[in-house]
Amino acid sequence: DAKTTQPPSMDCAEGRAANLPCNHSTISGNEYVYWYRQIHSQGPQYIIHGLKNNETNEMASLIITEDRKSSTLILPHATLRDTAVYYCIAQNRDDKIIFGKGTRLHILP
Amino acid sequence: DSGVTQTPKHLITATGQRVTLRCSPRSGDLSVYWYQQSLDQGLQFLIQYYNGEERAKGNILERFSAQQFPDLHSELNLSSLELGDSALYFCASSPRTSSRGETQYFGPGTRLTVL
Repeated sequence: DAKTTQPPSMDCAEGRAANLPCNHSTISGNEYVYWYRQIHSQGPQYIIHGLKNNETNEMASLIITEDRKSSTLILPHATLRDTAVYYCIAQNRDDKIIFGKGTRLHILP
Repeated sequence: DSGVTQTPKHLITATGQRVTLRCSPRSGDLSVYWYQQSLDQGLQFLIQYYNGEERAKGNILERFSAQQFPDLHSELNLSSLELGDSALYFCASSPRTSSRGETQYFGPGTRLTVL
């Protein structure tokens, strides 16, 4: 199983870039890295995903290392509404989806 | 709004009982996933259906079962309920199967409380 590890919590000042790391050292070559976030007890929300190249959308940027063993989600200008639990997942070949406990991001005013 | 609907929003029942949670995927999505989230825990993948067939299985208890109907809605059946089954249950859908990974769209969840 391609499991991921993330720090349990992080703080970021409002208006600054939030950089959330994820380690996925056992990821297979054809597995995508996905990021979701969960605000309070709402349903998780898709943020971004990538395979090898860096990706950017209206919400965030995803930086994947060349060896694909880790990645970083970047929220360029964090706001209080970005306070959430962020999950990094990598899908294994048996299609089981392992979310882990994620990183609880606190945005400080 | 993700387009995925779940009913009921809240459910309170007693130990030993049986309940059914319902999920309607986004229009056109063929895959449905079920997750359990206990208090302050991460999302635990339970099971996935694709176009009516079971596609992948996670840590789903034998007391739990699910199915996906021809109209693609899905139901999660929980029986012989225990206090520890109290949790948020989320459903997600995606357009196709996820052999490599595919974006999942999550519903708002059903909060189950077992007394």
